[in-house]
Amino acid sequence: AQSVTQPDIHITVSEGASLELRCNYSYGATPYLFWYVQSPGQGLQLLLKYFSGDTLVQGIKGFEAEFKRSQSSFNLRKPSVHWSDAAEYFCAVGSTSGTYKYIFGTGTRLKVLA
Amino acid sequence: NAGVTQTPKFQVLKTGQSMTLQCAQDMNHNSMYWYRQDPGMGLRLIYYSASEGTTDKGEVPNGYNVSRLNKREFSLRLESAAPSQTSVYFCASRSLRGADTQYFGPGTRLTVL
Repeated sequence: AQSVTQPDIHITVSEGASLELRCNYSYGATPYLFWYVQSPGQGLQLLLKYFSGDTLVQGIKGFEAEFKRSQSSFNLRKPSVHWSDAAEYFCAVGSTSGTYKYIFGTGTRLKVLA
Repeated sequence: NAGVTQTPKFQVLKTGQSMTLQCAQDMNHNSMYWYRQDPGMGLRLIYYSASEGTTDKGEVPNGYNVSRLNKREFSLRLESAAPSQTSVYFCASRSLRGADTQYFGPGTRLTVL
């Protein structure tokens, strides 16, 4: 069965520090992979996505993610965090056929210290 | 171009009451989805509609019904609300063409007393 694991419920970093949010998935083939961000009281905004090709994907707001097939991972990174990055981050796996349903991870809440 | 809109933004119900959450998209997308978001559980799919005229159950459909009224609109109905349905509800839409990306509405915060 498809599943997504985000092992870190909360992460705290200092402004200007680097960030890595972990995401591991279980899927029978190479899935579509997504990272979304949710600011408090808001909907979800797409940061980046991976479908095929280059395994390092660039997104909005200076984020990037790397797809590693051997580790079934799609970790999100940012070299220098800004206070405005404080939010909740969700990794998602999308079906590559049929229903196009997503499976979401449980989220990682990022706190940024000034 | 408003994207995905949801009404209402907030709602308080008493146990046993019914209500319908409305969702509309103006992006000419074929697929639409209803999720609920609960603390520590991420987003869970309630129902989806792959195309106009079709609906299917997701992961947590019990206690809900849906209607794909037309290509633009996809409503979620609670026939007899229960406290366990207190949650934030998100609607999303997706195009069949091009990038497989779901676009989300702003959410409806529902409290059932």
